[in-house]
Amino acid sequence: QVTLRESGPALVKPTQTLTLTCTFSGFSLSTSGMCVSWIRQPPGKALEWLARIDWDDDKYYSTSLKTRLTISKDTSKNQVVLTMTNMDPVDTATYYCARIRRFAGGYFDYWGQGTLVTVSS
Amino acid sequence: EIVLTQSPGTLSLSPGERATLSCRASQSVSSSYLAWYQQKPGQAPRLLIYGASSRATGIPDRFSGSGSGTDFTLTISRLEPEDFAVYYCQQYGSSPTFGQGTKVEIK
Repeated sequence: QVTLRESGPALVKPTQTLTLTCTFSGFSLSTSGMCVSWIRQPPGKALEWLARIDWDDDKYYSTSLKTRLTISKDTSKNQVVLTMTNMDPVDTATYYCARIRRFAGGYFDYWGQGTLVTVSS
Repeated sequence: EIVLTQSPGTLSLSPGERATLSCRASQSVSSSYLAWYQQKPGQAPRLLIYGASSRATGIPDRFSGSGSGTDFTLTISRLEPEDFAVYYCQQYGSSPTFGQGTKVEIK
């Protein structure tokens, strides 16, 4: 059974760095073809893809947010970590992590329940 | 970046009716790398369709996807009460992008 769960602070101040952790089970990021992405959704708005990390440690970032994002993995802990620097109120959103099986296509087949991050002083 | 435009923004229908949702891409989506997701309030998106027309595991056959190139459609043949939700299309051929969503509401 595949599950993913996001964790991190519910509130961050402007200019601070956000660190989110995705803890997953039911698959391994050391398995060829497995990937994990981060996606966010501001309240009442659409989904926005942020970043992806692959089984071979390749990393991909949203062009518009590339300078602020870092994605990493700890295969032994089944975790993926996303950091976003210089947080702003417009970054207030629910942040999701999701699994991708690259060789099956690249769509997000399993999602975490999401974690709401509010940026406010 | 491929921009996806969904229409209509809101679809007001009654249970039992047919829903047709459109997703248009600003450029051709390679290998039909187009997916559809359903999202209910307070929940994460759920994968419905991938590869433009393949149903994900456990998705009822009243949901169907079609299209290629730049024009894609999600059809719900007969709306059930649990189908009223927001639907998003997404392309995963290059840097992933999502449409802005279509809300299917009860008329």
